[in-house]
Amino acid sequence: AQTVTQSQPEMSVQEAETVTLSCTYDTSENNYYLFWYKQPPSRQMILVIRQEAYKQQNATENRFSVNFQKAAKSFSLKISDSQLGDTAMYFCALSNYQLIWGAGTKLIIKP
Amino acid sequence: DAMVIQNPRYQVTQFGKPVTLSCSQTLNHNVMYWYQQKSSQAPKLLFHYYDKDFNNEADTPDNFQSRRPNTSFCFLDIRSPGLGDAAMYLCATSRSRPTGSYEQYFGPGTRLTVT
Repeated sequence: AQTVTQSQPEMSVQEAETVTLSCTYDTSENNYYLFWYKQPPSRQMILVIRQEAYKQQNATENRFSVNFQKAAKSFSLKISDSQLGDTAMYFCALSNYQLIWGAGTKLIIKP
Repeated sequence: DAMVIQNPRYQVTQFGKPVTLSCSQTLNHNVMYWYQQKSSQAPKLLFHYYDKDFNNEADTPDNFQSRRPNTSFCFLDIRSPGLGDAAMYLCATSRSRPTGSYEQYFGPGTRLTVT
């Protein structure tokens, strides 16, 4: 069975700090994709970043980057220069057909 | 802008009174999903359509049904809502490709209240 684990139910940091959200997963597939989704208090689920498992290079989208360790089955999200608008639930998800979701991490950015 | 639209955004229904939630998309994606999300939890997949092929999750109650009359529209019918069905319902779409990522695009959700 495929699983995704997010071990941090809640985190809070000061604005402008860097924060890293953890995610580990388990799959027997060789080809798969990993995603981080963001769900702000308004509840619209938004894709933050994606990583193809066959690519060694870590994905980056502006202030968001991942640390993908395939052998360790780890996929953490780093948010640099955090902003108040980054306050949201963050879900890690694994896909090779359907999305397998982690339980989510509630991130609070404090002014 | 291409998007996923859900109507209504808020729906209040009475216990046992059928309700229909709608989803439309302008992305021309061939896969559409319905999720149930309860507070602070991950979305739970109810079912999805791959084109016209309906795929039900094993643990989705019979009380939940879906229709997809065309590529753009998909409906979620709750035949006899119970108090436990109060939740946010999310519609999502993806473009399925043989080597695709199945990246999903979400609508804003419909918050269902059962009284």
